[in-house]
Amino acid sequence: EIQLVESGGGLVQPGGSLRLSCAASGFSFSSYSLGWARQAPGQGLEWVSAIARGGDAYYADSVKGRFTISRDNSRSTLYLQMNSLRAEDTAIYFCAKGGAGGIREADYWGQGTLVTASS
Amino acid sequence: DVVMTQSPLSLPVTLGQPASIACSSSQSLVHSDGNTYFNWFLQRPGQPPRRLIYKISNRDSGVPDRFSGSGSGTDFTLKISRVEAEDVGVYYCMQGTHWPYTFGQGTKLEIK
Repeated sequence: EIQLVESGGGLVQPGGSLRLSCAASGFSFSSYSLGWARQAPGQGLEWVSAIARGGDAYYADSVKGRFTISRDNSRSTLYLQMNSLRAEDTAIYFCAKGGAGGIREADYWGQGTLVTASS
Repeated sequence: DVVMTQSPLSLPVTLGQPASIACSSSQSLVHSDGNTYFNWFLQRPGQPPRRLIYKISNRDSGVPDRFSGSGSGTDFTLKISRVEAEDVGVYYCMQGTHWPYTFGQGTKLEIK
């Protein structure tokens, strides 16, 4: 069974940092692209970042220069380092696994972890 | 960024009746590799999104055949032939052709 379990969310002051983790199991982690999407309270979905099998990284303009995505294939874990957090980054952050065509066909999602940037 | 526009945003449906959701994109979703990376997701309250359809019309494993997807280029449709109680939630379309990949605003399906 494919599982994605996010952790690391919490309350942080604006300007602060957090590192999210996504522990994966049930598939060959190194063979798939992965990504992070977020959902602000009561709002729709937004892709934040993605990382290809080979390590190429992609970012939404809203987080470029502040967030860094990475993967540790030996630990089957995806990360999102979030710096200089803003109130508008407050959201549930979901980890997603790419499908056969990559993260453009994200097929499995974790339950999410809540990040709140507030003073 | 590619803008995805869904309609309607609210969809009250009687059990056993059909339902249809439209999604249009601000530019063609045909990729240079010839594929059209267009997906439909359902998000139930308190749950993550679940993919229902990929590449316009391919149903995921376990998705009932009452769900069907169609369309091309910039206009796409999700149809439910006979709505059941478990179909309640918010439906999102998503394009995976142009980064950043983008979602529609969501269509909330409820039982009348």
